[in-house]
Formats: sequence, C-alpha cells, structure tokens
Amino acid sequence: SAVISQKPSRDICQRGTSLTIQCQVDSQVTMMFWYRQQPGQSLTLIATANQGSEATYESGFVIDKFPISRPNLTFSTLTVSNMSPEDSSIYLCSVAAGGYEQYFGPGTRLTVT
Amino acid sequence: RKEVEQDPGPFNVPEGATVAFNCTYSNSASQSFFWYRQDCRKEPKLLMSVYSSGNEDGRFTAQLNRASQYISLLIRDSKLSDSATYLCVAGNFNKFYFGSGTKLNVKP
Repeated sequence: SAVISQKPSRDICQRGTSLTIQCQVDSQVTMMFWYRQQPGQSLTLIATANQGSEATYESGFVIDKFPISRPNLTFSTLTVSNMSPEDSSIYLCSVAAGGYEQYFGPGTRLTVT
Repeated sequence: RKEVEQDPGPFNVPEGATVAFNCTYSNSASQSFFWYRQDCRKEPKLLMSVYSSGNEDGRFTAQLNRASQYISLLIRDSKLSDSATYLCVAGNFNKFYFGSGTKLNVKP
C-alpha cells in the first residue's frame, strides 16, 4: 500500500480565512480523492483530484469553495476557502490502488472559530 | 436514502465472542466492496475486500449477497483490539460510498 502524508495535521483558523491542505504520496497514483468526515459521521467524498485537468466535484461541493490542485501523480492540495464554523471537520485524502481499494492519509483536523 | 446503510451499534461483546455486521447498498450496479476499520481519531484502514465468492482472512470473513444487496462481516474469537468502528464501502471505479460505520466494543 502507498504511504500518504498530509500537512498540516491540524489547524485552528478564523472564519473568513482559507486553509490549504497538502497530500503527498510516496508513489505515482492515478486516482486521488478528498473526503470530509464530520464528528460522528462517515466519510463524504468532496472531489476526485485529476492530474492535468480540473477536479470532479460531488454534489454539494463547488470549486470556488474547495479548489483542488493536482500538479503531478504524487501530490495534491485542497483549499478550504472563506471558512465558516460549519467547515470544521477532518479532511482526508486517499489514493486508489489497482483493485480500487483506497488508502487514506492521516487526515487534517480543522477547527474554524 | 443513503447509498450504504449500516447499523451504528454499538455492539458490546465479550472477548472470544463471534459478532456479525451487515450493511446494505442501494446501487445494484456496484461492483467493488470493502470493509474498513477506523479507530478513534484515526484514518480508516482497509480491513478486507469483499469478493462475490466471499473471502476469509484469519478471524474475519466477508460475504456479499448481490441478490439482496448486502455485505456482511463476521469476526470470530473477538479480541479487545478489535474494538473500533467498521465501515462498509460499495461503489464502482472512481466513486465509492461509505457507510456511517458500526461501532464494536469488545469487553474483557
């Protein structure tokens, strides 16, 4: 399985600001994903990060709020823009292996005050 | 209706017990299925894939029933270290849906 790191591991941010989360994989992967997990809830897919093209967003998530970059096959960023307390959550990146099983980074715990 | 539904539990069982979780999925076109384990404040970790023929890994057995659209996970001889939340996943290619998880507490 791939080794995935995320930065930062946690942050406390003021409302109205933006935070960029980085996801680094130790090998080249085709498919990378960004999820959100709110306290006590399951994972919700935000978007699929596509290398060389725009991310594919799920219903309820838009590029202006969650811009994503994927400059190469080992790296992606997710920005949470103009944050509000409702954005407080854990943000996880994942990569998919050949059998579509996903491996997750350790997550970024975001608190918006 | 949620794409993947699970009983949230908690399931409280003694060490050594056998416990089973079920999960239902709504999309009959789903082709890939998994069970993940998530410990408190940690990321989900792949426990096992679920194949049409069923599969077993040590004390863990996963089965798929396509006709009824459900997936099961059986844990035999429960250990204290099995205490966690178990997430069921169903989907295709680049779109997967996670259940809300079933919490298991194994007690001494």
